Amino acid sequence: DADVTQTPRNRITKTGKRIMLECSQTKGHDRMYWYRQDPGLGLRLIYYSFDVKDINKGEISDGYSVSRQAQAKFSLSLESAIPNQTALYFCATSDPQGFRDEQYFGPGTRLTVT
Amino acid sequence: QKEVEQDPGPLSVPEGAIVSLNCTYSNSAFQYFMWYRQYSRKGPELLMYTYSSGNKEDGRFTAQVDKSSKYISLFIRDSQPSDSATYLCAMSEGAGGTSYGKLTFGQGTILTVHP
Repeated sequence: DADVTQTPRNRITKTGKRIMLECSQTKGHDRMYWYRQDPGLGLRLIYYSFDVKDINKGEISDGYSVSRQAQAKFSLSLESAIPNQTALYFCATSDPQGFRDEQYFGPGTRLTVT
Repeated sequence: QKEVEQDPGPLSVPEGAIVSLNCTYSNSAFQYFMWYRQYSRKGPELLMYTYSSGNKEDGRFTAQVDKSSKYISLFIRDSQPSDSATYLCAMSEGAGGTSYGKLTFGQGTILTVHP
């Protein structure tokens, strides 16, 4: 089974709807991240969490919220979806080992807002 | 101006060619430098991780960092069709030998290696 899983893998929703993207990991890592990927823009950080009680905004947090329900679960919500939130969303986890902090990515959720 | 600029490509090369991928950055606080590879419909996976100026080699891949010029490169020797993917540079700040974890990515370069 995959170490980092995301559900759903694909989602089409309408403008104004609330949706939640879920991420689960079995790696036992404390650090978890949410990114979005748009063509020509690379990946941009939305939110990150270094433990269950620690939530931080990333580069593009407006219009998004997150919940860290447990060490293994980190959910991303779009309170009122808009078309420019159409993108590929990735969850990632990491566990720093000295200077090395490799991030492990899930398979992504393709979200379309119509 | 973006903190990290990556030559966008796309890049198409014949099998066996040497590939050079490049990124420049403006934030002198970046201490850790990575290259991720992303196959179609997959999440990125780490290819190379470096933290000092100079070269790091791993098989056919060489990562080069020049902190004075704020420039990093990835070289792929003897490229193979299986190397066809999107390559993303990424960087993070840190202190005391520890990365802060937040990654800033370049735009990505789509590489196609044709037989």
